[in-house]
Amino acid sequence: AQSVTQLGSHVSVSEGALVLLRCNYSSSVPPYLFWYVQYPNQGLQLLLKYTSAATLVKGINGFEAEFKKSETSFHLTKPSAHMSDAAEYFCAVISGGGADGLTFGKGTHLIIQP
Amino acid sequence: DTAVSQTPKYLVTQMGNDKSIKCEQNLGHDTMYWYKQDSKKFLKIMFSYNNKELIINETVPNRFSPKSPDKAHLNLHINSLELGDSAVYFCASSQDPSGHLPATGNQPQHFGDGTRLSIL
Repeated sequence: AQSVTQLGSHVSVSEGALVLLRCNYSSSVPPYLFWYVQYPNQGLQLLLKYTSAATLVKGINGFEAEFKKSETSFHLTKPSAHMSDAAEYFCAVISGGGADGLTFGKGTHLIIQP
Repeated sequence: DTAVSQTPKYLVTQMGNDKSIKCEQNLGHDTMYWYKQDSKKFLKIMFSYNNKELIINETVPNRFSPKSPDKAHLNLHINSLELGDSAVYFCASSQDPSGHLPATGNQPQHFGDGTRLSIL
């Protein structure tokens, strides 16, 4: 079964600093990978997705992620953090069939220090 | 105009009761899902459903049942509620532009804002 592991349940960065949220996947076949963001008391919003078209994926709100097969990673980055980026971030994977639904990592809570 | 809407947003009820959560999507998607998010924010698929196939996560108790009156709706019925059912439940939908059913994995899922269920 596909799975993802997010390293660090909490990440704290200063406003303006680089954001790096880590995600590693386990898959014997090329996976479909996603990053979602959840703001307090809201649903999940898609940040970006990897579908093998390009290894560097750009998403909304200045976020991007790089797919590295050799490291089985799909880390999320943003060059300069804003206070509004404070939220819960989820990495997710799906196998070839969408009917199985998304398998989520445990989430990383991003804290932005003023 | 909300793409995936759930009602109610909050649901507080007593143990043993039966309740339903409604979900509607206006995106014209073919596949809908229910997820459960526990108190530690962990998200887990419960069901996925299109007009031909229901896939049930084997860990979901049979007290939970999805009901789809039409392609745009997937409601969640819960019988004999237990304390452990307290969670946030999210509905989602997706579409495969190629028309494959159920939706294949490269299409993102669109989520509702969730229903927070609290069992007293």
